[in-house]
Amino acid sequence: QSALTQPASVSGSPGQSITISCTGTSSDIGGHDYVSWYQQYPGKAPQLVIYDVSNRPSGVSNRFSGSKSGNTASLTISGLQAEDEADYYCSSYITTTTVFGGGTKLTVL
Amino acid sequence: QVTLRESGPVLLKPTQTLTLTCTFSGVSLRTSGVCVSWIRQPPGKALEWLALIDWDDDKFYSTSLKTRLTISKDTSKNQVVLIMTNMDPVDTATYYCALSRPRLLPGWYFDYWGQGTLITVSS
Repeated sequence: QSALTQPASVSGSPGQSITISCTGTSSDIGGHDYVSWYQQYPGKAPQLVIYDVSNRPSGVSNRFSGSKSGNTASLTISGLQAEDEADYYCSSYITTTTVFGGGTKLTVL
Repeated sequence: QVTLRESGPVLLKPTQTLTLTCTFSGVSLRTSGVCVSWIRQPPGKALEWLALIDWDDDKFYSTSLKTRLTISKDTSKNQVVLIMTNMDPVDTATYYCALSRPRLLPGWYFDYWGQGTLITVSS
């Protein structure tokens, strides 16, 4: 199973909104709604921020939102803050297996 | 409070076998729907899912690595063990264990993570 495709980097200024895309195929992202996003700070374990395409776990800021169109899922962070600077990974569950994206480094300017 | 901790050797030589143990607390693998996965991340690179075991002892493996992986659990000790054979320098990575909470829909997400353990393979 090939990894999902994400941009290597995105950037934005505080207060702005950014969107990170995650492109797969009809066999993964396009075939169901079991898409998730993880935030990872340097040297730390990842943390789940979005699941089932657009649901936020308890405790995750409502500035984080997710969506999907066709074979592409997206993570949007609104009202960008310095603390949002991190790596972000998308993931798709595909019956009995899971695939991650290549990761996107978010820089807050 | 759910916590997970990985333990295992820090350094391996090529062709050796890796045995990693994930010890967790705050939840039981006897609970229907609970799953534990192993995920790795080479330095500076992306996450890669390796294997999962669920409360019912069902086991799932990465297609590309399944011939080298064995996952098992000891419910009484709240531990999950991953064995990876024939280690190579390209297997150098931080290895995480992660726990998935029960859910009504198919699939699993990684709700809780251990801190990870860096495994280096070098001669």
